Amino acid sequence: AQSVTQLGSHVSVSEGALVLLRCNYSSSVPPYLFWYVQYPNQGLQLLLKYTSAATLVKGINGFEAEFKKSETSFHLTKPSAHMSDAAEYFCAVSDDSGYALNFGKGTSLLVTP
Amino acid sequence: KAGVTQTPRYLIKTRGQQVTLSCSPISGHRSVSWYQQTPGQGLQFLFEYFSETQRNKGNFPGRFSGRQFSNSRSEMNVSTLELGDSALYLCASSPGLVAGELFFGEGSRLTVL
Repeated sequence: AQSVTQLGSHVSVSEGALVLLRCNYSSSVPPYLFWYVQYPNQGLQLLLKYTSAATLVKGINGFEAEFKKSETSFHLTKPSAHMSDAAEYFCAVSDDSGYALNFGKGTSLLVTP
Repeated sequence: KAGVTQTPRYLIKTRGQQVTLSCSPISGHRSVSWYQQTPGQGLQFLFEYFSETQRNKGNFPGRFSGRQFSNSRSEMNVSTLELGDSALYLCASSPGLVAGELFFGEGSRLTVL
């Protein structure tokens, strides 16, 4: 079964610092991987998606993620954190059917002035 | 283009009651998925419908059911509510492609007393 593990339930960075949110996947086949963001009292919004076209995926709001098969990782990064980036971030993998997502537990990002 | 609309946004029920939640997908989207989000279990897949057919179902008891109408609108029902059913229920729509992007609504927050 496809699954993802997010390392670190809480991450705190200073405004302007690098954001690094970690995600490792477990999949027996090449996976479809996603990063979603959830702001308070809102639904989830897609940040980016990996579909094997390119290992470095660029998303919205300056985020990007690199697929590393050798490390089974799909970490999310942003060079410079903004206060508005404070939110919950979820890594997800498409399940065996392709019609559902298996989400990680989420990482809460705190950005301090 | 209007987003995914979920109603009601908030509701309070007591144990043993039943509840029906509604979801209107983005126009043109034929797939609707439901997810349960709780602090303890995170985001868990409930079921997915495409053109009125359930294509995939998560690991939830039979008290959880859903359906999709010919206009792609969907409802989910939970019968004999338990305290543990308190959660944010998120609906997502998509065109229905394998591993396609999901567009989430803001959710229906259910509190069971």
